[in-house]
Amino acid sequence: ETGVTQSPTHLIKTRGQQVTLRCSSQSGHNTVSWYQQALGQGPQFIFQYYREEENGRGNFPPRFSGLQFPNYSSELNVNALELDDSALYLCASSLDRGNEQYFGPGTRLTVT
Amino acid sequence: AQSVTQLDSQVPVFEEAPVELRCNYSSSVSVYLFWYVQYPNQGLQLLLKYLSGSTLVESINGFEAEFNKSQTSFHLRKPSVHISDTAEYFCAVSEGPGGSYIPTFGRGTSLIVHP
Repeated sequence: ETGVTQSPTHLIKTRGQQVTLRCSSQSGHNTVSWYQQALGQGPQFIFQYYREEENGRGNFPPRFSGLQFPNYSSELNVNALELDDSALYLCASSLDRGNEQYFGPGTRLTVT
Repeated sequence: AQSVTQLDSQVPVFEEAPVELRCNYSSSVSVYLFWYVQYPNQGLQLLLKYLSGSTLVESINGFEAEFNKSQTSFHLRKPSVHISDTAEYFCAVSEGPGGSYIPTFGRGTSLIVHP
């Protein structure tokens, strides 16, 4: 059984640019959540997708957007990057909403 | 809106001593509760969970947590810690049936086990 994978592992972007992060869910999981984890902080919820529909959104601006595909993989898009967007971005999948989450290794985004 | 409070940002302890990491939550609906562990330079892993049933839940590596509904707490305990338990521990809550199922994480507690 393949776990949650994320790509790329590291990324360096310039302020104002756009970025797309990708996540493959664990097999059979229909729910994907995205988090932003700043250094020394807990994961901050960005949004969650359940069966291709957005199920909820955290306190992030609209320039953070996402998609979930029919195979339940997912993308996180961030437009107009700011320096404060530098963080570890975590994707987590679960068998259903509310269940325990299985996390990927994360994508380390650095904005300069 | 739900929230999670981890009362201690850092807990230093000597090897083989007992430890308790505290977690309190607020929510207006029924909840699912989780503890996740993040070892240095690794992703988060589920340590244990409470969905329903027995209020005392245990992990395979000796940790346990007890759901206390009246005190809205889900404290994590281990009677004897090892050096290898040094890690960041996160408490998380999801609203259950009747709620949004959206997960909320605490800020984390850094457990530091000294020899």
